Amino acid sequence: AQSVTQLDSQVPVFEEAPVELRCNYSSSVSVYLFWYVQYPNQGLQLLLKYLSGSTLVKGINGFEAEFNKSQTSFHLRKPSVHISDTAEYFCAVDTGGFKTIFGAGTRLFVKA
Amino acid sequence: GAVVSQHPSRVICKSGTSVKIECRSLDFQATTMFWYRQFPKKSLMLMATSNEGSKATYEQGVEKDKFLINHASLTLSTLTVTSAHPEDSSFYICSASSPDRGSMEAFFGQGTRLTVV
Repeated sequence: AQSVTQLDSQVPVFEEAPVELRCNYSSSVSVYLFWYVQYPNQGLQLLLKYLSGSTLVKGINGFEAEFNKSQTSFHLRKPSVHISDTAEYFCAVDTGGFKTIFGAGTRLFVKA
Repeated sequence: GAVVSQHPSRVICKSGTSVKIECRSLDFQATTMFWYRQFPKKSLMLMATSNEGSKATYEQGVEKDKFLINHASLTLSTLTVTSAHPEDSSFYICSASSPDRGSMEAFFGQGTRLTVV
């Protein structure tokens, strides 16, 4: 069975600092990987996705993630965060049947 | 990207009543739709998989008689919470997909905040 582990439940960071949100997955088959952002009382917004090809994936709002098959990781990074990046971030995996399995989420809190 | 619309965005209902939540794919035909539930400050838990024209497949621990799912057309799936109780209060999100789109991702609705009083 597939599973997703987000290693940090909360990540506080100062504005303009870099940030990395960690995600590890387990699956015996090829996976598609996603990062979503959820602002308070809102639905999900897709940040980026890895389907195949280049392991470095660039998304919206300056975020990027790197797929590392040997370490089964898909960490999300941003070189300089803004206050507006404060939100909940979910790493997710799909084994091709469109059934998405989510991690527990990481709360990014950007401080002034 | 594709658009998935959920309605209503918020609903308050009395204990013991039923409430229906709609999930529509606006610009594509969705052969499969998924329903998720999110508890406060928690992740999204898959409740069921809905395939057009067939019975939904429920995840372990989800009561199919309480959470009725109907996928009567390729653009609409509904989730009905029957005899709602306060513990059913939650954020419900649907997603829709279709292999014909050529995109290996599911598209999510904006969610429905259900409060049972």
